[in-house]
Amino acid sequence: DADVTQTPRNRITKTGKRIMLECSQTKGHDRMYWYRQDPGLGLRLIYYSFDVKDINKGEISDGYSVSRQAQAKFSLSLESAIPNQTALYFCATSDRGNTEAFFGQGTRLTVV
Amino acid sequence: SQQGEEDPQALSIQEGENATMNCSYKTSINNLQWYRQNSGRGLVHLILIRSNEREKHSGRLRVTLDTSKKSSSLLITASRAADTASYFCATVLYYNTDKLIFGTGTRLQVFP
Repeated sequence: DADVTQTPRNRITKTGKRIMLECSQTKGHDRMYWYRQDPGLGLRLIYYSFDVKDINKGEISDGYSVSRQAQAKFSLSLESAIPNQTALYFCATSDRGNTEAFFGQGTRLTVV
Repeated sequence: SQQGEEDPQALSIQEGENATMNCSYKTSINNLQWYRQNSGRGLVHLILIRSNEREKHSGRLRVTLDTSKKSSSLLITASRAADTASYFCATVLYYNTDKLIFGTGTRLQVFP
């Protein structure tokens, strides 16, 4: 089983709909991250969390919210999806800030 | 703009040749990491080099770091078709080890 699991893997949704992407991990790491990947732009950080009481905005948090339900679970919500949120979304975990990150397989989201 | 930018954006070589990718960054770092991504899948950590290190090796991978030039290079020796992927550098800042900031990536194509 994967250490970092994202669900769903693919999703098509309509403009204006609320959608939640989920991430769970078995690494036992405190730090969890949500990234967005667009062609030619690399990965950009949306939100990150160090524990269930600590949520931090990344560089592109507008239009997104997150919830850290437990150490192992970190979900990303789009309150009212818009087409330019069409992208590949990745969840990642790390033990500490200056160590390697472990990534999920990604969620391909299409907003029509 | 991105903290890290890779050069070239795309690289095509024959099997057996060496592949060199470069990463430049703007702000002092704690460490720099290289990741690999197979077509649309999750990123996999390759190697981490700390700011006080100049060179590291891992199998066919060799990473160098020049903090005076704020640059790093990833060398893959004796490339194989299976090395075809996108490669990203990512930095952890010296003054803020909370986040991993990614570059824009190099797409490597290795022809049999």
